[in-house]
Amino acid sequence: DAGVIQSPRHEVTEMGQEVTLRCKPISGHDYLFWYRQTMMRGLELLIYFNNNVPIDDSGMPEDRFSAKMPNASFSTLKIQPSEPRDSAVYFCASSGTSGVSEQYFGPGTRLTVT
Amino acid sequence: AQSVTQLDSHVSVSEGTPVLLRCNYSSSYSPSLFWYVQHPNKGLQLLLKYTSAATLVKGINGFEAEFKKSETSFHLTKPSAHMSDAAEYFCVVRPLGNFNKFYFGSGTKLNVKP
Repeated sequence: DAGVIQSPRHEVTEMGQEVTLRCKPISGHDYLFWYRQTMMRGLELLIYFNNNVPIDDSGMPEDRFSAKMPNASFSTLKIQPSEPRDSAVYFCASSGTSGVSEQYFGPGTRLTVT
Repeated sequence: AQSVTQLDSHVSVSEGTPVLLRCNYSSSYSPSLFWYVQHPNKGLQLLLKYTSAATLVKGINGFEAEFKKSETSFHLTKPSAHMSDAAEYFCVVRPLGNFNKFYFGSGTKLNVKP
């Protein structure tokens, strides 16, 4: 398996633009997680899905952020409009249902909003 | 309630000396426990995991961790530090009674001096 795939790896955009981050989880995993990492706040869970259904989005900063999982092999995290404070590394991770299953992380998307 | 406490935000050791990164957890149910490593500008990689089998768990790159239920601890050790071990380390809990979430510690940055 290729692991968790994220695209793009780097994104530079101007304030006010829409940004879409993409994630392909490992085949057979039914949990998908979106995290954000910054120097100031560390690693934060934004939202997670189980079987394509959002379970907990309490970590989503505000309405400018939205996430979807239209099928088991694809998820998006969208920021509209983007702001400089959204600059961070965004990680996607997936895991199986078993309680002993670990999370597998993607390489991350480094977002810079100018 | 679940929580993970990494007792040291920064640890500095000399190359060739032992490494100890401390982690305490609280969990309502018997948990699975994980240690992840993140090298600079990289994603998170699984070092090792405990899943209620042997209490002493061996991981990659010479790391190991011991689960101590009475102390609710899962400290990470390595007999001899290498320069390449310089990274940030995260302790993670996944309660077996609640497969939905992974609880992350705040991370420990390990510095290895030549």
